[in-house]
Amino acid sequence: KQEVTQIPAALSVPEGENLVLNCSFTDSAIYNLQWFRQDPGKGLTSLLLIQSSQREQTSGRLNASLDKSSGRSTLYIAASQPGDSATYLCAITQGGSEKLVFGKGMKLTVNP
Amino acid sequence: ETGVTQTPRHLVMGMTNKKSLKCEQHLGHNAMYWYKQSAKKPLELMFVYNFKEQTENNSVPSRFSPECPNSSHLFLHLHTLQPEDSALYLCASSQVFSLGGGQETQYFGPGTRLLVL
Repeated sequence: KQEVTQIPAALSVPEGENLVLNCSFTDSAIYNLQWFRQDPGKGLTSLLLIQSSQREQTSGRLNASLDKSSGRSTLYIAASQPGDSATYLCAITQGGSEKLVFGKGMKLTVNP
Repeated sequence: ETGVTQTPRHLVMGMTNKKSLKCEQHLGHNAMYWYKQSAKKPLELMFVYNFKEQTENNSVPSRFSPECPNSSHLFLHLHTLQPEDSALYLCASSQVFSLGGGQETQYFGPGTRLLVL
């Protein structure tokens, strides 16, 4: 059974720092990996999706990498801003379906 | 704005009550999902509907009863819930739900925060 882990559960940093968020998974047979953002009182917003054949994806200040062999993904946030404060979730699709397996998330606080 | 709305946003109910959660998507999608997000646990998939047909039931207790009258609306009927059912219930939609999948982005609603007393 696929398990997705995100450590640490929470992170507090000053504004301007470059950040690396970690996600690990136990079964490397994945179709894709997504990073989501969840703001308080709101649903999830998809940030980046990496197909299993890809190594990374970039969107603005965000860069996500995928290493299937080691069962790891990282989300890099450049020059963090207070508006980046949210919970970030990693999710995996596998088994040839659209079913997502989520990590517990990491709560990020960027202090001005 | 994600195009997926959920009502109510907050709900408090007793264990003997019957209530319903509503989800509506304005994206023209054909697949809709219910997820449960409990404190300190990963988001869990509950049900999937594809073209109004239920395709996934993730061993959800029968006190949760989904209904999908059309591709734009999804309900979750609740009855005789337990305090451990208190959670954030999220609805999502995607273009389709397919077994050849992994290509579809799911769009989430803001959720209904449920408290069972």
